[in-house]
Amino acid sequence: QKEVEQNSGPLSVPEGAIASLNCTYSDRGSQSFFWYRQYSGKSPELIMFIYSNGDKEDGRFTAQLNKASQYVSLLIRDSQPSDSATYLCAVNPAPWHMLTFGGGTRLMVKP
Amino acid sequence: GAGVSQSPSNKVTEKGKDVELRCDPISGHTALYWYRQSLGQGLEFLIYFQGNSAPDKSGLPSDRFSAERTGGSVSTLTIQRTQQEDSAVYLCASSLEGRSNTGELFFGEGSRLTVL
Repeated sequence: QKEVEQNSGPLSVPEGAIASLNCTYSDRGSQSFFWYRQYSGKSPELIMFIYSNGDKEDGRFTAQLNKASQYVSLLIRDSQPSDSATYLCAVNPAPWHMLTFGGGTRLMVKP
Repeated sequence: GAGVSQSPSNKVTEKGKDVELRCDPISGHTALYWYRQSLGQGLEFLIYFQGNSAPDKSGLPSDRFSAERTGGSVSTLTIQRTQQEDSAVYLCASSLEGRSNTGELFFGEGSRLTVL
């Protein structure tokens, strides 16, 4: 069983819609959770992190964490074509330094 | 430089040859990571260095892979007797350490390795 699971997609949404990206993880001891965005041919860059249960909003992005269900999600409101990328969920299990990445979900926002 | 620097950006080699990949982390970052990303796949952890502590080598896929970090800065990932399945993008990342750390990793642009 993979430690961090994501649907590989592609997830296709029209411009202006809400994109919902989901991630589940297996290690209940995980403390911190990250969403990285990776454009094709580029390296990943951090867009959100969340530590506590609930929602965390940053501009058009909202990260949601439910530790009881071992589930973390990323919502992108008013999706733009420039949001088209692969979104990688990463989890920090013990030992805390080793970020474990999911396989990524490819998002396509169509004009 | 301002970011994580990796070289070479592209490397094509023949099966059985050895390769070295270099990473220069962000100045002041004490933690350094190597990940591998195969085509269309997620990131596979390889090795982690933190200061003078013993590295976490738990992700290295075989004894053909080794890495060192000299002077707490530049790191070299060496793959001996390369195989076709070693073809991937090798990503280096660095981060701050300590409780003030958000956990953000700063990635280099990667070294694309192709083994013929």
